[in-house]
Amino acid sequence: DAKTTQPPSMDCAEGRAANLPCNHSTISGNEYVYWYRQIHSQGPQYIIHGLKNNETNEMASLIITEDRKSSTLILPHATLRDTAVYYCIAHNNAGNMLTFGGGTRLMVKP
Amino acid sequence: ETGVTQTPRHLVMGMTNKKSLKCEQHLGHNAMYWYKQSAKKPLELMFVYNFKEQTENNSVPSRFSPECPNSSHLFLHLHTLQPEDSALYLCASSQGAGGGDTQYFGPGTRLTVL
Repeated sequence: DAKTTQPPSMDCAEGRAANLPCNHSTISGNEYVYWYRQIHSQGPQYIIHGLKNNETNEMASLIITEDRKSSTLILPHATLRDTAVYYCIAHNNAGNMLTFGGGTRLMVKP
Repeated sequence: ETGVTQTPRHLVMGMTNKKSLKCEQHLGHNAMYWYKQSAKKPLELMFVYNFKEQTENNSVPSRFSPECPNSSHLFLHLHTLQPEDSALYLCASSQGAGGGDTQYFGPGTRLTVL
């Protein structure tokens, strides 16, 4: 998996959009961008993934730049329960292991 | 609720004990995984099973012994563990083990070895 870089922490006001950036400048053509989050001491929760196009589901939106070197996860209306560590992963579709880096600790505040 | 359950959620054991962790997935997936997450370390892949066959053993010590009786169940048998084995053990499943399939995780078992 290609290396990803995320800010270590971010704050967001409750009800506002949370925009979490991720840099993956060495991503290769067959690597998907995956986002997971992990609430303290629980298993990682899948959020969304994409290859080239922007994606949206009931949890979030994923915006991938045209050159695929970076992406942004958007939580449109953050709630206190969205407080977690968010991991961006560039995952090779030929490998089994998900490589989790340091992630971004998102703190949603009232 | 991800469709992947793990029991027990917490386990404390001595170094001479034998215990087993259980994972069950209700998603109809064919691949299952064991990961280890130690404090302040990234997730480490331990084992991969695809259609009940072990396809990957990531240099895991023999005191960890996996078992996959069918595509829905995965066990991790533990014996003669060390205190440094204390960690969160996570089970995951995916449709296949071809790498491009999304992995869904269970809640984990918090293991403490005394």
